[in-house]
Amino acid sequence: GAVVSQHPSWVICKSGTSVKIECRSLDFQATTMFWYRQFPKQSLMLMATSNEGSKATYEQGVEKDKFLINHASLTLSTLTVTSAHPEDSSFYICSARDWQGLSDSPLHFGNGTRLTVT
Amino acid sequence: AQSVTQLDSQVPVFEEAPVELRCNYSSSVSVYLFWYVQYPNQGLQLLLKYLSGSTLVESINGFEAEFNKSQTSFHLRKPSVHISDTAEYFCAVTDTDKLIFGTGTRLQVFP
Repeated sequence: GAVVSQHPSWVICKSGTSVKIECRSLDFQATTMFWYRQFPKQSLMLMATSNEGSKATYEQGVEKDKFLINHASLTLSTLTVTSAHPEDSSFYICSARDWQGLSDSPLHFGNGTRLTVT
Repeated sequence: AQSVTQLDSQVPVFEEAPVELRCNYSSSVSVYLFWYVQYPNQGLQLLLKYLSGSTLVESINGFEAEFNKSQTSFHLRKPSVHISDTAEYFCAVTDTDKLIFGTGTRLQVFP
C-alpha cells in the first residue's frame, strides 16, 4: 500500500532554534499533504494543508510564520518549526492523499515526529 | 463545519470480550467516515472506511462499523478482542477536502 515516510521520528532541540520535519510520499504523487499536531492524550488537530507549488493553507489559530510549510515537489513537503519554544513540544504527523484521490480517499499517514524543545 | 464526537475516552475490556467504540458526527449531509488505529509510538493506520453502499463495513482483523445515517453514528465493534487490539482508535469524517478527527478512544485489553 501507499507509504508516507516522515523524518525524523524524534528530535530534541534547544529553545530558539529551528527544526525541519520532512514528509515524503514514497510510491505515489501527492499534490496535497496535511500537517497535524497531536497533544498528549488528545486528538489530531489539523494545522495546515500543503499544496504542491503554492502556499499552504493554515487553520485558524496556527501561526504561519512560526510553522513554515514548503511543498516543493509532488513527493515532499516540509514543516519547519521556527524559533521553537517548549510549548511547541508535540507530536507532529503528516499525511498525504494520492494525486488521483478525491475526498473519499483515505489519507496515508507518516509515523509522526516527536518534537521536544528544552 | 463537521465535528466528530467519541464519547468514551477509555474503554477497558477483558480479552475475548466484545467491545463497541462509539462515534457520532455532526452533519447529516453526505460524508465519508473512517476509523484509524494508532498503536503505541506509531502513526495512524486506516482500519476501515465507509464511502457508500453497504452500511456495514469490515476490517481484516475482525472489526466492523455500521453507518447509521439517522443517528449520525459510525460505531466500531468487535465480537472478541485480543491483547494486541490495545491501541488508540480515532473516528474521522471528511469535511470538504479535510479529515476531522474525534478525540480518540483508548482501548485497553486485559488478560
